[in-house]
Amino acid sequence: DQQVKQNSPSLSVQEGRISILNCDYTNSMFDYFLWYKKYPAEGPTFLISISSIKDKNEDGRFTVFLNKSAKHLSLHIVPSQPGDSAVYFCAASGGSNTGKLIFGQGTTLQVKP
Amino acid sequence: EAGVAQSPRYKIIEKRQSVAFWCNPISGHATLYWYQQILGQGPKLLIQFQNNGVVDDSQLPKDRFSAERLKGVDSTLKIQPAKLEDSAVYLCASSITSTTLQYFGPGTRLTVT
Repeated sequence: DQQVKQNSPSLSVQEGRISILNCDYTNSMFDYFLWYKKYPAEGPTFLISISSIKDKNEDGRFTVFLNKSAKHLSLHIVPSQPGDSAVYFCAASGGSNTGKLIFGQGTTLQVKP
Repeated sequence: EAGVAQSPRYKIIEKRQSVAFWCNPISGHATLYWYQQILGQGPKLLIQFQNNGVVDDSQLPKDRFSAERLKGVDSTLKIQPAKLEDSAVYLCASSITSTTLQYFGPGTRLTVT
């Protein structure tokens, strides 16, 4: 039962352009969503989050959009930089154990110079 | 501030052998998590500790996996006996409380042959 899905395994964009990473979820009890970035041989690091009471959160080049009716969120990176090349995981929490993160499969982003 | 420490970083064992992983969380973090990340998938929570008590171990294969956090600080995760499908990266994370941001260690890559 894949409650959080990232349907695009990989994405390639040109430096300076926008990167859009997508995530869908099925559990309506989720009330907090996060994006983590992972470089090879390192653990995931927190990037940005959004509460279900908001529909947008912005932090510098990174913006997360939440569409609760569609159970969909997206991460926009503008402008994309080569250092953004990494695996991006969408995660969700909520329900009886608010500490439990449910992760998507990840999307590998490659930003070409 | 020191991050989450894990050891060893890499481990290769044969099936049916046993293995143990160690995690030292960020100082002052009461909540500790062990995740399993199989290649091509997102991290999956195995067990969550609050101090030295177990909060959630619903996805821990208890016939072969065990974990402890005896003094409420560092933790060990053991697999006995290992199967081929246990090949994965084992990630430890910690947070101040169960509702605050989780910080991940670099992980231990286990290969079972």
